Amino acid sequence: EPEVTQTPSHQVTQMGQEVILRCVPISNHLYFYWYRQILGQKVEFLVSFYNNEISEKSEIFDDQFSVERPDGSNFTLKIRSTKLEDSAMYFCASSGQIEAFFGQGTRLTVV
Amino acid sequence: AQSVTQPDIHITVSEGASLELRCNYSYGATPYLFWYVQSPGQGLQLLLKYFSGDTLVQGIKGFEAEFKRSQSSFNLRKPSVHWSDAAEYFCAVAPDGGATNKLIFGTGTLLAVQP
Repeated sequence: EPEVTQTPSHQVTQMGQEVILRCVPISNHLYFYWYRQILGQKVEFLVSFYNNEISEKSEIFDDQFSVERPDGSNFTLKIRSTKLEDSAMYFCASSGQIEAFFGQGTRLTVV
Repeated sequence: AQSVTQPDIHITVSEGASLELRCNYSYGATPYLFWYVQSPGQGLQLLLKYFSGDTLVQGIKGFEAEFKRSQSSFNLRKPSVHWSDAAEYFCAVAPDGGATNKLIFGTGTLLAVQP
């Protein structure tokens, strides 16, 4: 069964460092997303990406964040200068029409 | 304001008992509706979805949900809970329909199952 894969599963980084979270969406999907879940809180939408551009972003997705689809298979989330409050589980998702499939997540810990 | 509400933060049921997890939404039109489950340390797995048509939808693992337009609800049910159902359950809506397809999640209900 096709699935969304994310790497790494866990990343620890120092405050101020740049991190790139990687995702391989399901191959025939056209919509890609990033969500985050701060420990103990709900899952929050960050950004959606379609046709090689951002289609919508939330207030959380400020200038420190960027997304890219560098080739035909990967979809990345970059945080330029991490802050302590960026510590969270980050989920990538992809969808064809409506139904979104989520990856297992990357737990980002900023120290 | 647009929102998804799961009023029960934590529910404990006995194995074999029935289960109902509540979800209410506030959007002008009928959004697309979903239930996801998250086991400890795992990602989000889709249990079931409602787009249109029959208001009672069947999902995986024996779960079902009923859409009630008059109550703006989409409650999740299971007739007999198994210990492996212990997890966190999230109701989600896609308010934009076919636009960006982003999901808005509720705060989740943590289900514990007693032997």
